[in-house]
Amino acid sequence: EAQVTQNPRYLITVTGKKLTVTCSQNMNHEYMSWYRQDPGLGLRQIYYSMNVEVTDKGDVPEGYKVSRKEKRNFPLILESPSPNQTSLYFCASTSVVLAGDPTDTQYFGPGTRLTVL
Amino acid sequence: GQNIDQPTEMTATEGAIVQINCTYQTSGFNGLFWYQQHAGEAPTFLSYNVLDGLEEKGRFSSFLSRSKGYSYLLLKELQMKDSASYLCAVDRGGSYIPTFGRGTSLIVHP
Repeated sequence: EAQVTQNPRYLITVTGKKLTVTCSQNMNHEYMSWYRQDPGLGLRQIYYSMNVEVTDKGDVPEGYKVSRKEKRNFPLILESPSPNQTSLYFCASTSVVLAGDPTDTQYFGPGTRLTVL
Repeated sequence: GQNIDQPTEMTATEGAIVQINCTYQTSGFNGLFWYQQHAGEAPTFLSYNVLDGLEEKGRFSSFLSRSKGYSYLLLKELQMKDSASYLCAVDRGGSYIPTFGRGTSLIVHP
């Protein structure tokens, strides 16, 4: 079954304690991305990656790091979490099909609800 | 930069038709996505428009006018399960990694 998995699904932590949210896809997709979703602000892009070892900042990258050492994995790292990073996080992956139409090739993970105290 | 606007909330009656509008101003544009998101769940892909015009997919249709920076999602024969947020998103550079608007919360009542 084609899917994007994220772990953990829920996490409560304290300010300053480094954490990693993992994201893995089993579809051999080239493109992966991270979003955070906050009430009234919608989904905002944190980082994205268009292939292995290629990452770029999205709209709200401050306080986050990512890596793309393998095609299937795209972890999100918070080196020193702060309360303003309390949010719902989504990982997504996309394949570029020959026709250039991403229909049925866009997948989101189930989300990770992070609380930073 | 980019600016993507859609109404915050809409209500409609079961069985009716509703049109959710989206306007955008963006540096670089390749196509426009629509997603559906139920509360607490991940967004699910509905449509992707690259060319001007209307694309129909069952009860849902999506329209794009590139020259006007305008799109809409049309939902027909509304069902209670259509109550959800509908997210308009722009593909800025052909990477199919969307940049989202704030979403429209649609409430369908009997």
